[in-house]
Amino acid sequence: ETGVTQTPRHLVMGMTNKKSLKCEQHLGHNAMYWYKQSAKKPLELMFVYNFKEQTENNSVPSRFSPECPNSSHLFLHLHTLQPEDSALYLCASSRGAQENIQYFGAGTRLSVL
Amino acid sequence: DQQVKQNSPSLSVQEGRISILNCDYTNSMFDYFLWYKKYPAEGPTFLISISSIKDKNEDGRFTVFLNKSAKHLSLHIVPSQPGDSAVYFCAASALGAGSYQLTFGKGTKLSVIP
Repeated sequence: ETGVTQTPRHLVMGMTNKKSLKCEQHLGHNAMYWYKQSAKKPLELMFVYNFKEQTENNSVPSRFSPECPNSSHLFLHLHTLQPEDSALYLCASSRGAQENIQYFGAGTRLSVL
Repeated sequence: DQQVKQNSPSLSVQEGRISILNCDYTNSMFDYFLWYKKYPAEGPTFLISISSIKDKNEDGRFTVFLNKSAKHLSLHIVPSQPGDSAVYFCAASALGAGSYQLTFGKGTKLSVIP
């Protein structure tokens, strides 16, 4: 398998649930990103990891908790989410955090009830 | 306030004709610009990019033009094909605290009519 793979593709959760989104890249990249795309809004950067270290957190609420165990894997742990957190969550990777071109996964469509 | 704007939510073009997608930006710190293409149920796919030191970059049927003084860029697709029907996102890059950060527009949905 090549590219950036995200699982699950769809997720429905209640506000009291805890769930995790997974991203895996097979491109040999060193930087990984989480984006959020809400309806009628542009993609918004959430987190950046470079060589497993978090380098950016764009004022994301603590109910979103990222984890990057190695350069190939990225997780987004979710707990006590709100209905307004329903969105498409996209993972991306690049050769390094100093590279402009990012490669995206297909995303996880999250619905919070 | 949106720093990258794609003012046309949609565009319809006849097959074989030229498609022109536009993008405006406000932040003078942006120094690299990208276009992504997105099909339904897939992630955005990198299409073409341009550095701020250039005013044109061409790759096959796709050409991106940059007008720095007007803070405007455009993507030209010639000739347009039905398979080009997708949502096109403009993105601009600037160096953040430790990494380049992409700021995206809302996208323009292109429909190429056979």
